[in-house]
Amino acid sequence: AQSVTQLDSQVPVFEEAPVELRCNYSSSVSVYLFWYVQYPNQGLQLLLKYLSGSTLVESINGFEAEFNKSQTSFHLRKPSVHISDTAEYFCAVSGTSGTYKYIFGTGTRLKVLA
Amino acid sequence: EAGVTQFPSHSVIEKGQTVTLRCDPISGHDNLYWYRRVMGKEIKFLLHFVKESKQDESGMPNNRFLAERTGGTYSTLKVQPAELEDSGVYFCASSSQLQETQYFGPGTRLLVL
Repeated sequence: AQSVTQLDSQVPVFEEAPVELRCNYSSSVSVYLFWYVQYPNQGLQLLLKYLSGSTLVESINGFEAEFNKSQTSFHLRKPSVHISDTAEYFCAVSGTSGTYKYIFGTGTRLKVLA
Repeated sequence: EAGVTQFPSHSVIEKGQTVTLRCDPISGHDNLYWYRRVMGKEIKFLLHFVKESKQDESGMPNNRFLAERTGGTYSTLKVQPAELEDSGVYFCASSSQLQETQYFGPGTRLLVL
């Protein structure tokens, strides 16, 4: 069985400040890892993913996440946030075989303040 | 290329009524998933279709929920009769044969009064 923990339900941060959204997972098998973002009144959009290879993955809008197998973490970071980054962020894992169903964390609401 | 679409975007019904949600996956995607987010909780897996076959329905809460994917294209999720605890956002996602990345629709917000 797999589980995902997003410890921070809400993260307020000032514009242009750095941010880290934490994600820890538990799994007895190999996993794929994902971050999805949900902007207000929109659906879930894939932000970035780790499937294999380099443990540091980046998105086109400046976010990055690093897969740390020993700490079973996949924290999301951005060095300088914008007002437009205000959204809810979801971490998810899936197995690397079988149905590939996602197990989600409870989400983190990022609020960027002017 | 059109993304995953869901209909309706919102539905408000009374307890005991029936509601049918529809999902149209990305064209050519064999895999279709349903998820649900009850307010304040995590998004939870309901079931997975491969083409028209149910691959995994371990997340379906009870027999009031019926999912179909006739012809392996769009899918419907029927709730009959609806209960108050069925309120939430129902997401549909699809993926190609490679499977690992799912693309989500905008969701259907269901409110049962």
